[in-house]
Amino acid sequence: DGGITQSPKYLFRKEGQNVTLSCEQNLNHDAMYWYRQDPGQGLRLIYYSQIVNDFQKGDIAEGYSVSREKKESFPLTVTSAQKNPTAFYLCASSLHQADTEAFFGQGTRLTVV
Amino acid sequence: GESVGLHLPTLSVQEGDNSIINCAYSNSASDYFIWYKQESGKGPQFIIDIRSNMDKRQGQRVTVLLNKTVKHLSLQIAATQPGDSAVYFCAETRPGYSTLTFGKGTMLLVSP
Repeated sequence: DGGITQSPKYLFRKEGQNVTLSCEQNLNHDAMYWYRQDPGQGLRLIYYSQIVNDFQKGDIAEGYSVSREKKESFPLTVTSAQKNPTAFYLCASSLHQADTEAFFGQGTRLTVV
Repeated sequence: GESVGLHLPTLSVQEGDNSIINCAYSNSASDYFIWYKQESGKGPQFIIDIRSNMDKRQGQRVTVLLNKTVKHLSLQIAATQPGDSAVYFCAETRPGYSTLTFGKGTMLLVSP
């Protein structure tokens, strides 16, 4: 089945630790995105990548880092510099740029303990 | 409609009713719009999209209406079912933009 897979579904982090969230797609999509969602809120863009080995900051990139070494993979690292990391993280991909449908993964819920 | 603050606007309907969820956008250059459905604890799912050269598009039980004059988008769901209960987001983009901009969402609650 083609799709976009995020792992893990739930993640717990101690304060001061970096954690990496996985996102893999087998849809042969060029573009991939990371969003953060807080309770009762919309989606805010963290980072996006339109092509392998290239990515751009979104609206709330501070405290996060990404890499795009392979077309299928776009991991997100939440660093210790992110002051309020507890949130629901969503990865998405689209065939090209934003004027085509974006497909979402099922999300990773990160909790700082 | 769009919300301010932490509380999503909520639309409560009875099973079998028609539902209309609204979304306002601010940029007159926006030319592509999508509606997503998000169930609790899951990622958003595509429902329907529309480009600015159209004012109406129909899918299975859903219709999207676009009024560019007042920068308003609506999603109509016919014969609403309990399985339609979710948060609905509109998203838009414009030429030269590489990403979608999402609204804050509307929660739809369907009672049996």
